[in-house]
Amino acid sequence: EAGVAQSPRYKIIEKRQSVAFWCNPISGHATLYWYQQILGQGPKLLIQFQNNGVVDDSQLPKDRFSAERLKGVDSTLKIQPAKLEDSAVYLCASSLVGGGYEKLFFGSGTQLSVL
Amino acid sequence: QKEVEQNSGPLSVPEGAIASLNCTYSDRGSQSFFWYRQYSGKSPELIMSIYSNGDKEDGRFTAQLNKASQYVSLLIRDSQPSDSATYLCADYTLSGNTPLVFGKGTRLSVIA
Repeated sequence: EAGVAQSPRYKIIEKRQSVAFWCNPISGHATLYWYQQILGQGPKLLIQFQNNGVVDDSQLPKDRFSAERLKGVDSTLKIQPAKLEDSAVYLCASSLVGGGYEKLFFGSGTQLSVL
Repeated sequence: QKEVEQNSGPLSVPEGAIASLNCTYSDRGSQSFFWYRQYSGKSPELIMSIYSNGDKEDGRFTAQLNKASQYVSLLIRDSQPSDSATYLCADYTLSGNTPLVFGKGTRLSVIA
């Protein structure tokens, strides 16, 4: 079974530039999550999709972050403009239904460095 | 704001000993609890989940839940150097804006 695919693996940009991350979940998984993990901290949920609808985006900084999941499959997370404090690993995860009792499958993440 | 608290460590134990990792949570409505292991530079992977008060055992791992004390723990018996990683506690609440919240993690180092 293929896992959660993410790209790129690494990205280095300057502040005020824009950047986009891509995620393809495990086939058949209805729920997709984007997490931000700053060094030394636990993952923080940015946005959760159920199929192509947003379940939770309360911690997404909407003035600079946006995400979409067209057709309920793959997803893109964008940052525009980036700030120094956005330096982190961006993890995409998926689960079958999203009911809260399930295992999350994580992708390998995108490590973002904002200079 | 819902919180999951963990001691960041590092927790150092000798090989073969029992490692005890602890977690407290703030939301009494939390319904399910998870322990994820994260090796340095890698993504988290689920090792245990627990939903009811008491103990749940899986191989060398035992998860313990005490809802009255809002406390979750993970015991690792016969610790091996390969267990050296950061262990993330997470809890889920059906209601609320952030259903799955992770703690900051406890770094475990098993010394050979």
